[in-house]
Amino acid sequence: QSALTQPASVSGSPGESITISCTGTSSDVGGYPYVSWYQQHPGKAPKVIIYDVNNRPSGASNRFSGSKSGNAASLTISGLQAEDEADYYCSSYAGINTVVFGGGTKLTVL
Amino acid sequence: QVQLQQSGPGLVKPSETLSLTCDVSGYSISSRYYWGWIRQPPGKGLEWIGFLSHSGDTNYNPSLRSRVTMSADMSKTHFSLKLTSVTSADTAVYYCAMTRSVRDPNWFDPWGQGTLVTVSS
Repeated sequence: QSALTQPASVSGSPGESITISCTGTSSDVGGYPYVSWYQQHPGKAPKVIIYDVNNRPSGASNRFSGSKSGNAASLTISGLQAEDEADYYCSSYAGINTVVFGGGTKLTVL
Repeated sequence: QVQLQQSGPGLVKPSETLSLTCDVSGYSISSRYYWGWIRQPPGKGLEWIGFLSHSGDTNYNPSLRSRVTMSADMSKTHFSLKLTSVTSADTAVYYCAMTRSVRDPNWFDPWGQGTLVTVSS
């Protein structure tokens, strides 16, 4: 069970859109419609912003959107705001009731 | 509203057992869903440790399976994590979390506040 691959960092200016990728295998991301994304601010617990690939939980901003193609998933944040600066993690169901996380991506809002 | 409150020691000696508890309010553990543990070493990413189903079944990360035990109390108001034979590599912030879907045990919400556990003599 290997961690999903995410870029270590991405950056963007306020108002722009950015996309964070999450690459796995056919045994996790590619095999199930169960990818989640979490936002984590320093010193805080992670907070889910996307579940089941492209669904937003109640309270999550509609500026967050998710997608998946093959073994890769993506998180897009549109209309970047200063408050979006945080670490972002993807996770995927990996079969037989196991879960695997990505290594995390640090988003810097310039 | 479901809330998770963690408790347990912040310092554990090498080779000893790490024990944490997660108190659940606003929902009964035995009703439905999965109840999980995730950890995060300082400055690093998240690692899934495992979870406990509402019926008591457990699933663990293969890399930790030989050292992990998860359980719930009979009153179903809290669940626990035990990790044996700890080393410095087990130093991390440990989080408990509820899953929001039976078919997708990958949707963790909410999370506990986190407990920094340091393994040191």
